[in-house]
Amino acid sequence: GESVGLHLPTLSVQEGDNSIINCAYSNSASDYFIWYKQESGKGPQFIIDIRSNMDKRQGQRVTVLLNKTVKHLSLQIAATQPGDSAVYFCAESYSTLTFGKGTMLLVSP
Amino acid sequence: DSGVTQTPKHLITATGQRVTLRCSPRSGDLSVYWYQQSLDQGLQFLIQYYNGEERAKGNILERFSAQQFPDLHSELNLSSLELGDSALYFCASSVEVGGFNTGELFFGEGSRLTVL
Repeated sequence: GESVGLHLPTLSVQEGDNSIINCAYSNSASDYFIWYKQESGKGPQFIIDIRSNMDKRQGQRVTVLLNKTVKHLSLQIAATQPGDSAVYFCAESYSTLTFGKGTMLLVSP
Repeated sequence: DSGVTQTPKHLITATGQRVTLRCSPRSGDLSVYWYQQSLDQGLQFLIQYYNGEERAKGNILERFSAQQFPDLHSELNLSSLELGDSALYFCASSVEVGGFNTGELFFGEGSRLTVL
């Protein structure tokens, strides 16, 4: 596969651990936030979203937390698996969808 | 498979040349977005079309242009290419509800452009 970036923050975890990926967003007017996963050689794939009137949303093995006071977003992945290894992007939506720079998650078996 | 198709997957060309990247959105999606992904800039929004009309513009250079055709496929034209234009170019499409984007974009697998 092709690398999507060589200068990304990297989080290395063991299989079965919980992972937390953090993101700071820039626009206090953004009202919708999304986490995307990008595997090597593929396009970004939607994981979970949250609207600004919420502070937590849960999916299957994933939870997104939103702290509007400090403009911070986090993605929690429970029981991380090797297949979760990818680059994770947060994105904020105001008039357009703006992506953060991404975090690489490496999961060791 | 997201349902968004991009061609070509890989393209190698020389500086000064012009290329066209093509995107077919998911069936029924009216919005098409183009993003550029380079190693040091992450995913940069270029431009959005909705049902044939330009909806939003991001950091798109004047050397770049795009259009969306009546069948909803889109093309991104890159001209007078420079070494720094080497990147992955992604197309995405989305569902519009009442004219507003729901936020979930479906991405194609990208076109890797290498300018030598």
